[in-house]
Amino acid sequence: GAGVSQSPRYKVAKRGQDVALRCDPISGHVSLFWYQQALGQGPEFLTYFQNEAQLDKSGLPSDRFFAERPEGSVSTLKIQRTQQEDSAVYLCASSPSQGLHTEAFFGQGTRLTVV
Amino acid sequence: DQQVKQNSPSLSVQEGRISILNCDYTNSMFDYFLWYKKYPAEGPTFLISISSIKDKNEDGRFTVFLNKSAKHLSLHIVPSQPGDSAVYFCAASEPFQGGSEKLVFGKGTKLTVNP
Repeated sequence: GAGVSQSPRYKVAKRGQDVALRCDPISGHVSLFWYQQALGQGPEFLTYFQNEAQLDKSGLPSDRFFAERPEGSVSTLKIQRTQQEDSAVYLCASSPSQGLHTEAFFGQGTRLTVV
Repeated sequence: DQQVKQNSPSLSVQEGRISILNCDYTNSMFDYFLWYKKYPAEGPTFLISISSIKDKNEDGRFTVFLNKSAKHLSLHIVPSQPGDSAVYFCAASEPFQGGSEKLVFGKGTKLTVNP
């Protein structure tokens, strides 16, 4: 595809349920990021992959959050035992290179609502 | 502790006039700054960037100014158009050191351009 694709666009989960959010980055992009955007806030960094290597997971809020990118392309963000405070838009972004400042291209996001 | 601050949640301007969006940062290690534009239900899209070695970057109607001594940057849009109505996010990153290129975002400023 031409851009970053995320699925599902919307997800409603009952508290305590596990969820998996998918990101298809732009083909060939080395770097992949996950961000969390709460209502009225800017995106906040969760984790970063360079190809299949997760180089930075300092933004993951708890051990309930787990991300993977096993083949260096598609990535999945998994949230276990969801809580109401996990309700947010989860944004995925990719960029073509590492080590050079370039803009990141964002997907449309997955809006997660935990009820 | 917000490292990137956008102190104006909203801004309203008349079509044809100049829009000035402001951003302050606290981390002196930031060396690259970006502005993203976001429409409702879409992901942020890159608008313009500036490296810390410059004090101005211009792209069509959009100009970003950087004042390193004041740790302040601003985005000028002239002339403003109704299609510019969106939320604008300021973002910053540190030099790549083999770890992460994560962006730190402000909370955003909602710009409304009135016809």
